[in-house]
Amino acid sequence: DVKVTQSSRYLVKRTGEKVFLECVQDMDHENMFWYRQDPGLGLRLIYFSYDVKMKEKGDIPEGYSVSREKKERFSLILESASTNQTSMYLCASSLIGAGSYEQYFGPGTRLTVT
Amino acid sequence: AQSVTQLDSQVPVFEEAPVELRCNYSSSVSVYLFWYVQYPNQGLQLLLKYLSGSTLVKGINGFEAEFNKSQTSFHLRKPSVHISDTAEYFCAVSTNSGGSNYKLTFGKGTLLTVNP
Repeated sequence: DVKVTQSSRYLVKRTGEKVFLECVQDMDHENMFWYRQDPGLGLRLIYFSYDVKMKEKGDIPEGYSVSREKKERFSLILESASTNQTSMYLCASSLIGAGSYEQYFGPGTRLTVT
Repeated sequence: AQSVTQLDSQVPVFEEAPVELRCNYSSSVSVYLFWYVQYPNQGLQLLLKYLSGSTLVKGINGFEAEFNKSQTSFHLRKPSVHISDTAEYFCAVSTNSGGSNYKLTFGKGTLLTVNP
């Protein structure tokens, strides 16, 4: 069975802290994605990676960075968390190539920054 | 740039009634279209996808969608809903971000609430 796991379901951090969100997939997918989901705004792409050590900015990269040192793992980093980064974060993965390949999603991490 | 518009943010219906969730997209090239469902406190799960061929696509849990190129629509339908269909539904279009890299552009979601 296809599996995308995220390190935490719920996380509470303080303003200014450095935050790491981890995502692991076991499907040998080339592509990995980080989204944030906010009520009424749907899913917005933060960053994606199509290969180890490769990354591209999505629609809302400001305040975030990413790391992909191994194919199966994609980390989202909040260098200095702020309250406006309180959100649900979703990780996904897919095969590379034709856009017909679906994305598989993890269960999400609900981050609260106080 | 691609965009996806889900015309209703909330759709309340009674159990066993039919439902249609509307989705329109903008694109100047061929597209791949998807519907995802998100149950409370879970990630997204694929319901169905349109790649090519027949414009009527059948998915899981009795859902189907019709691709209409002239109207740039991809509406989702179910003839009889259950309480368990209560969830948020997202329409998405796959867009080429360069080379062989594709990413999904999502609509803002439609919350389907099925009442007894």
